[in-house]
Amino acid sequence: AQSVTQLGSHVSVSEGALVLLRCNYSSSVPPYLFWYVQYPNQGLQLLLKYTSAATLVKGINGFEAEFKKSETSFHLTKPSAHMSDAAEYFCAVSGGTNFGNEKLTFGTGTRLTIIP
Amino acid sequence: DSGVTQTPKHLITATGQRVTLRCSPRSGDLSVYWYQQSLDQGLQFLIQYYNGEERAKGNILERFSAQQFPDLHSELNLSSLELGDSALYFCASSVGLLAATDTQYFGPGTRLTVL
Repeated sequence: AQSVTQLGSHVSVSEGALVLLRCNYSSSVPPYLFWYVQYPNQGLQLLLKYTSAATLVKGINGFEAEFKKSETSFHLTKPSAHMSDAAEYFCAVSGGTNFGNEKLTFGTGTRLTIIP
Repeated sequence: DSGVTQTPKHLITATGQRVTLRCSPRSGDLSVYWYQQSLDQGLQFLIQYYNGEERAKGNILERFSAQQFPDLHSELNLSSLELGDSALYFCASSVGLLAATDTQYFGPGTRLTVL
């Protein structure tokens, strides 16, 4: 079974400051990990995903995340926050291509607010 | 715009009723996934269909059922509705059958309110 824990349901950062959204995972098999973003009144959009290749994954809109097996973490970062980054962010885990463990399990989400 | 369409956008109904939510996947996508997003349970995977066949099941209640038609659109049927079924229901689609390796594209959702 797989699960993720997102630390901090609300995060506020100033425009131009570093964005750090935390995600820790638990998985009985090598995990695939994802970050999705949800803007108000919209569906989810994939930001980036880790599928057992490079541990540092670059995504869209300047975001990146690093897979750290020793810390069971997959934190999302962006060097400089923009007002347009204000949204809800979801971390998700899957058992990858391991049949029966493929489905995505989502965290509870982190709402990111950008302070002008 | 993800290319995934969902209708209706909003649905208000009463307890005990039955509703049908519809999803049209992106052109060329063979998989359809249904998710429920609620304040209590967060975002949960319900069920996946691939090319008309059920592929994977998540936390889907017995009162709920889904199907994927030959034209690849999908419907999620919710019956004997309870207050707790009020939620945002998302449909997503992907090219292949692997939930993890194929990027899932999400529709805008159907907001269901049960009174």
